Amino acid sequence: DAMVIQNPRYQVTQFGKPVTLSCSQTLNHNVMYWYQQKSSQAPKLLFHYYDKDFNNEADTPDNFQSRRPNTSFCFLDIRSPGLGDAAMYLCATSRQDRTKNIQYFGAGTRLSVL
Amino acid sequence: AQSVAQPEDQVNVAEGNPLTVKCTYSVSGNPYLFWYVQYPNRGLQFLLKYITGDNLVKGSYGFEAEFNKSQTSFHLKKPSALVSDSALYFCAVNQGGKLIFGQGTELSVKP
Repeated sequence: DAMVIQNPRYQVTQFGKPVTLSCSQTLNHNVMYWYQQKSSQAPKLLFHYYDKDFNNEADTPDNFQSRRPNTSFCFLDIRSPGLGDAAMYLCATSRQDRTKNIQYFGAGTRLSVL
Repeated sequence: AQSVAQPEDQVNVAEGNPLTVKCTYSVSGNPYLFWYVQYPNRGLQFLLKYITGDNLVKGSYGFEAEFNKSQTSFHLKKPSALVSDSALYFCAVNQGGKLIFGQGTELSVKP
């Protein structure tokens, strides 16, 4: 009964070749997040959507973009992946009260850049 | 800015022994504190949270955590560790809807 689903689980791309990671949820949560996690480090928030409102973190590179066409789906686009973008990308969702509510994470997509 | 610190990169425990994973926090106002666990190549799973109320919070898989305001700590505990508890544990504080994570503690439980 996966509730936050990320596809694919593993993605290999070439240096500079655009790549899209997807996330879907069956929880009907209105907040969706994208995190980047490098090897055994803490996840780092890239951006989040509160409904349709996009909130970018100040230090997220312009190379990273996101789309949320509806409540259930959210995409992470990396326009020109570099070797330093190889990481695990985690999608999470939460209910409206972002401060107190639990974030539910997907299993992640591990991105390799060749 | 709010932050959490996990002073131990790794904790080693024998199966059946009690375990503690430490977390200290620095926040202004009321802290909203969380513990998550991450198994290899998986996403984070919620264990427990402290919002308000009882200082002892019980969570999933037999874990509990004690909120200590005077020591600004929120240590994760379990009375009897299992080998299957071996994983990466993250403490986090919620700042305006954003989770600010500690650096993580690798827990290793040996038979």
